[in-house]
Formats: sequence, C-alpha cells, structure tokens
Amino acid sequence: AQSVTQLGSHVSVSEGALVLLRCNYSSSVPPYLFWYVQYPNQGLQLLLKYTSAATLVKGINGFEAEFKKSETSFHLTKPSAHMSDAAEYFCAVEMDSSYKLIFGSGTRLLVRP
Amino acid sequence: NAGVTQTPKFQVLKTGQSMTLQCAQDMNHNSMYWYRQDPGMGLRLIYYSASEGTTDKGEVPNGYNVSRLNKREFSLRLESAAPSQTSVYFCASGGRFYGYTFGSGTRLTVV
Repeated sequence: AQSVTQLGSHVSVSEGALVLLRCNYSSSVPPYLFWYVQYPNQGLQLLLKYTSAATLVKGINGFEAEFKKSETSFHLTKPSAHMSDAAEYFCAVEMDSSYKLIFGSGTRLLVRP
Repeated sequence: NAGVTQTPKFQVLKTGQSMTLQCAQDMNHNSMYWYRQDPGMGLRLIYYSASEGTTDKGEVPNGYNVSRLNKREFSLRLESAAPSQTSVYFCASGGRFYGYTFGSGTRLTVV
C-alpha cells in the first residue's frame, strides 16, 4: 500500500534561515504529490503540487519542492523563513487512478525571531 | 466565493447519538472526500466518492456512512457516536489535476 512519511514532527528554524521539510513516499510508480499548509484552527491550503511535469515545482509564499524519483522524495524548501510561515505542513500522495489522497502525519514548523 | 462549505462548524454529541455532517462544493468537481484529523496522525481518509453515484471506503470507514446526494453534496453520517470519533472532520473536493480544495472543518466532540 502506498504511504507517505514525513521526517520530523516538529522543525524549528530562525527567521531568515532555510526551511527544509522532508517527505518520502513508497511507490514503484511516480505518484502525484502535494504539499498543504494548515494555520491554527483553519482548513488546508494547497502550497504546490507535482503532476509529472517539471521536477522542481514552485508554489505560493516562496515555497518550492523537488521531486526525486531515485530517492522517492518530495522535500519542501524555502530559502528564508518568515514568522508568518509558522504552521503545520502536510505532504500528500495520490497514486495514479486511485482517486485517493493519502496524507503524511504532518510537520509543525516553528519560526524563532 | 467558490469553495467547499461544511456544516456545522462545531458539534457536541452524547455517546450513542447520531448526526450528519453536510458538505457542498460549487466547483463542479467530480470527486469528493471526507477526512478526519487527529493530533499526530495527519488526515485520514474516511470515505470518498470518485463521481456522482459512487462511494468507496478509505482508511478508517468503520462507524461512518456516506451519501453522495448529487454532484455538489456529499454527507457523512455517524449512526451511533462514540468518544473515539471525537475529531476534526474535513470535506474536500477536486483531484490530482486541480488540486484538492478543503472546507474549514467540523470540530466534533463526543462525550
């Protein structure tokens, strides 16, 4: 069965530092991959998605993610963290023709002043 | 504004009571989904509907039923609520090409 693993339930960075949130998936076939952000007491907002076009995907708020088939990874990065980036981030995967979006357990990002 | 609308936003139930969570989307999406979110577990898929007239089980379907009333509406029913069903429930619609759009959630407490 497909699965999504997010390494690190909590990540803490200083304002202005690089943000790196890790996501690995288990599949022999490249899936469709997504990153979502959730601010406290809100729903989920799509940051970016990979749908087999370019391997480097740019999203909203300065985030980007790179699909690496050899590593089965889809890590989320941002060059310089801002206080407003503090939130929970979820990686999700949909296998081809499954119609099911499966989520990782989430990573809470803390940004220190 | 276009999107996914869920009602109610908050609900407290007693063990054994029943209720239906409502969801409607106005983006003409074929697929709709129900998830529950629990601390440290991410979002888990309860049921989904790939198209009007079809429904399928997700990861955690036990204790729930769904109805795809028409293309816009997808409801989730708890027939006999249990404390283990205390959670935040999200409805979503869309798919791999559009991305998935989520509602604002229903916070359910079963006492």
